[in-house]
Amino acid sequence: SQTIHQWPATLVQPVGSPLSLECTVEGTSNPNLYWYRQAAGRGLQLLFYSVGIGQISSEVPQNLSASRPQDRQFILSSKKLLLSDSGFYLCAWSFEADYGYTFGSGTRLTVV
Amino acid sequence: GNSVTQMEGPVTLSEEAFLTINCTYTATGYPSLFWYVQYPGEGLQLLLKATKADDKGSNKGFEATYRKETTSFHLEKGSVQVSDSAVYFCALGGSQGNLIFGKGTKLSVKP
Repeated sequence: SQTIHQWPATLVQPVGSPLSLECTVEGTSNPNLYWYRQAAGRGLQLLFYSVGIGQISSEVPQNLSASRPQDRQFILSSKKLLLSDSGFYLCAWSFEADYGYTFGSGTRLTVV
Repeated sequence: GNSVTQMEGPVTLSEEAFLTINCTYTATGYPSLFWYVQYPGEGLQLLLKATKADDKGSNKGFEATYRKETTSFHLEKGSVQVSDSAVYFCALGGSQGNLIFGKGTKLSVKP
């Protein structure tokens, strides 16, 4: 069966520090991968999605970036965190929209 | 493009009350429709889905029917429990193969 792993679960980082969040999927090949952010008390904001290795689409211009170095690995990064980057970050995978997404357990990022 | 609108929360109910969370959509074609649930501190879990008009998705006592004539996919449960307290998201398939989510509705069930 397919599983999705996301880590770390929580992270506290100072303003201006770098960020790297990792997401891996097991039990499937060539999934579509997504990064979402959920700010406190707000809905889901799609940040990036990828349909294959090295293929990244950005939905919102900001100081975050994403990479997909391997088929089942999706990384969210920043060179310098801002206070506004705080939130709950969710990774998800799917084959196609009609089958829905499977989400990871999320990373709670607090920038101080 | 495709879009989804769901009722604003929060919704507060007593245990065993009837629940309805409204969701309406705008779409070209006939995308699949979904309800996701997010328990506190966790990621989203698929609750139920419907892939075509008149389909009824159901799970854990929750139901939603894909209504093409009213472009709706309202979530219902006949008797809520404290353990149903969570945020509920309506979603539909986008034209680019992604999912489009509503803003979420927070449900609190009091004993």
